[in-house]
Amino acid sequence: GENVEQHPSTLSVQEGDSAVIKCTYSDSASNYFPWYKQELGKGPQLIIDIRSNVGEKKDQRIAVTLNKTAKHFSLHITETQPEDSAVYFCAASTSGTYKYIFGTGTRLKVLA
Amino acid sequence: DAGVIQSPRHEVTEMGQEVTLRCKPISGHNSLFWYRQTMMRGLELLIYFNNNVPIDDSGMPEDRFSAKMPNASFSTLKIQPSEPRDSAVYFCASSLAENTGELFFGEGSRLTVL
Repeated sequence: GENVEQHPSTLSVQEGDSAVIKCTYSDSASNYFPWYKQELGKGPQLIIDIRSNVGEKKDQRIAVTLNKTAKHFSLHITETQPEDSAVYFCAASTSGTYKYIFGTGTRLKVLA
Repeated sequence: DAGVIQSPRHEVTEMGQEVTLRCKPISGHNSLFWYRQTMMRGLELLIYFNNNVPIDDSGMPEDRFSAKMPNASFSTLKIQPSEPRDSAVYFCASSLAENTGELFFGEGSRLTVL
């Protein structure tokens, strides 16, 4: 079955710097890769996603890149702000299924 | 619009007691998921309902766990009897699409079993 590995587990950056979180997956059939942000005491919330027919997607300060050959995808946050501090989860899924395999999460701290 | 609503937000109980967690999905969503989150195992899918029918319960840990969805606007997750290792945050999520649709999570129910 699918396995998703996520690195790093914790990440501290200075406000205004960039943050990068990386995930690898094992099942070449996976073709949908969402990223969720979980703030303290809340449930995860979708922030961006990418499908396997594109290599990059941007939404303001957030971008996701996908390398299908290497089976890895990354979340990039530019000009980080204190409100970006949260736990970020990557996930992988295959179209036609309901199963999302989540990574283990990255706790991002943005230092003011 | 109201999001996914879960209750209780916090539950502290003693080993052996019955625990019932409740979920109201977003109106119009036809898929409902129960997840468990722990430090050791991350987010695990326990059970998935589509149109109120349980489709996949392979993630339910054991017979002590059961889930129901009597109608489109309500689901329960029951643990009987509860054990300390059941301590976790339990999330309910709903989705409009049956597959690869955005999951909308509730705020979770934090369960502590003493």
